Amino acid sequence: SAVISQKPSRDICQRGTSLTIQCQVDSQVTMMFWYRQQPGQSLTLIATANQGSEATYESGFVIDKFPISRPNLTFSTLTVSNMSPEDSSIYLCSAQTLVMNTEAFFGQGTRLTVV
Amino acid sequence: AQKVTQAQTEISVVEKEDVTLDCVYETRDTTYYLFWYKQPPSGELVFLIRRNSFDEQNEISGRYSWNFQKSTSSFNFTITASQVVDSAVYFCALKGGSEKLVFGKGTKLTVNP
Repeated sequence: SAVISQKPSRDICQRGTSLTIQCQVDSQVTMMFWYRQQPGQSLTLIATANQGSEATYESGFVIDKFPISRPNLTFSTLTVSNMSPEDSSIYLCSAQTLVMNTEAFFGQGTRLTVV
Repeated sequence: AQKVTQAQTEISVVEKEDVTLDCVYETRDTTYYLFWYKQPPSGELVFLIRRNSFDEQNEISGRYSWNFQKSTSSFNFTITASQVVDSAVYFCALKGGSEKLVFGKGTKLTVNP
């Protein structure tokens, strides 16, 4: 299995500011994903974080709003830019390992509140 | 397109009752994987089980059991003798050839003492 650490675990931010969420995996992974879970809702895929290249965004999500970095095989960041109260959600990082590439492991999530 | 339907939005039971959470999926892939996750109030997503499309054997793990039926495209989850600690939101998810996980809307289970 893989252990995924996300930081921060929660934050309260002012509208108009940006927050960067970090995701660290304890082993090399093939794919990393970022999900958003709005209050009371299911998980929606934001993007696939590609190592060494631009992330692949799902419909409805754009790079200017959710820039993503993945500098190596074990680390990724998601930035929520120019935040508004509608961005209040849980953001989750997910990864598939090289060995168990059918599994999807999740971090503990970042609970973001925008005021 | 892939889709997961969890028709039960909320279920409330009394402790020690058995409860079944339904999951119906749609996919055109011949190889795919089905998952169940538990999300307690703290928010983290806890992996419960993965099943691949070629393995229709039912599985039991303690009080948990899963019934996978390709004929009806269902992957139902049963908790036997439910406990208060089972209270959580449970998500069924599907992964096909695209490697992306598609989640159902979740079922909120409340187990009352």
